Amino acid sequence: GEDVEQSLFLSVREGDSSVINCTYTDSSSTYLYWYKQEPGAGLQLLTYIFSNMDMKQDQRLTVLLNKKDKHLSLRIADTQTGDSAIYFCAERRGGSYIPTFGRGTSLIVHP
Amino acid sequence: GAVVSQHPSRVICKSGTSVKIECRSLDFQATTMFWYRQFPKQSLMLMATSNEGSKATYEQGVEKDKFLINHASLTLSTLTVTSAHPEDSSFYICSALKTGTGDPYEQYFGPGTRLTVT
Repeated sequence: GEDVEQSLFLSVREGDSSVINCTYTDSSSTYLYWYKQEPGAGLQLLTYIFSNMDMKQDQRLTVLLNKKDKHLSLRIADTQTGDSAIYFCAERRGGSYIPTFGRGTSLIVHP
Repeated sequence: GAVVSQHPSRVICKSGTSVKIECRSLDFQATTMFWYRQFPKQSLMLMATSNEGSKATYEQGVEKDKFLINHASLTLSTLTVTSAHPEDSSFYICSALKTGTGDPYEQYFGPGTRLTVT
């Protein structure tokens, strides 16, 4: 299987919360990231979490990490149409510059 | 901030020609840059790590003679696709590593270049 796995699609109604899930296999992962990619654009770092943290909140974004299950999630509160994009989960080991990316989850927000 | 630009944003070329893509870090120096390739509905595939003043490190399966990388300054890396073929058509994204801020070693991504080979 892949090192970082995500579901490929998520559809939500505007104003609802979105939860994007990710699982990874490397137990030595030190940093875990969420990136956003809008159509035709590069990746924008949304947030990251250290492996010794369980939760991180930044305005509408909440990241939850279950290290035991190697599960990472990104919750977007009050989802807006401007949140429609592909969201990539990535993990990186300490001492390495290079993260491993998942295949991305395409979030579609409809009215 | 940390801004990375790519040029061109879109290019169409004929089969057999070469195309150069530039990646620039605009407001910071980057000794290390990365080149990725992204296929439709797929993740980013790391092609190579570009280090200023030295040869690039290519990932397994990436032809170094086909994808020439030059990192001649602390703010510029170039990727040249030589003798392009239709199967080289893809979205190429660069990123630049901003060090000196401590972990988690931020990678800042360019907006990408869409290459179409006809």
